[in-house]
Amino acid sequence: GGIITQTPKFLIGQEGQKLTLKCQQNFNHDTMYWYRQDSGKGLRLIYYSITENDLQKGDLSEGYDASREKKSSFSLTVTSAQKNEMAVFLCASSIEGQVFFGKGTRLTVV
Amino acid sequence: GQQVQQSPASLVLQEGENAELQCNFSTSLNSMQWFYQRPGGSLVSLFYNPSGTKHSGRLTSTTVIKERRSSLHISSSQTTDSGTYLCALATYQGGRALIFGTGTTVSVSP
Repeated sequence: GGIITQTPKFLIGQEGQKLTLKCQQNFNHDTMYWYRQDSGKGLRLIYYSITENDLQKGDLSEGYDASREKKSSFSLTVTSAQKNEMAVFLCASSIEGQVFFGKGTRLTVV
Repeated sequence: GQQVQQSPASLVLQEGENAELQCNFSTSLNSMQWFYQRPGGSLVSLFYNPSGTKHSGRLTSTTVIKERRSSLHISSSQTTDSGTYLCALATYQGGRALIFGTGTTVSVSP
């Protein structure tokens, strides 16, 4: 079986800072996603990518950039961290509609 | 309106009771997946079930495409079943790859 690895597990940043979250998958899946999970708000899609170098905006893309330079990796950048940014960021990959998630990066902005 | 609706929002059970969680969707279905999440934990895939019925231990998932619904049945609930259950619909309409319901929070007491 494969695995999705997100780094770091915990990220503490300062308000206004640019922060990058990384995700690697060894499933060889084409499609990858970044979701944000806030307490009581479910999952919201930030960006997804259907292949290397492809980027598609989700509902929550403002304030974020993404990069898919290799099929196996998908990174997310918070362009200017805000205090309401505190959430868990989940990376996922999928094949034929079946989705697999990483364990998440918990972001705290101080 | 919301394309994936889960009900109930929360559920309190006595150990040993059965429960049925519902997921109704208003858009065309490519696939349906159920996830489980403990507080502070990662998302664990329970079922990938585009149609029909699947079983795993005390859990049963049934997806009826014509009726635009999927259900998750928990039989003989245990305290370890406590957590949040999320359904996710995969659809390729309008560029949205995966749509999540807002979840059902289950609390099982001894």
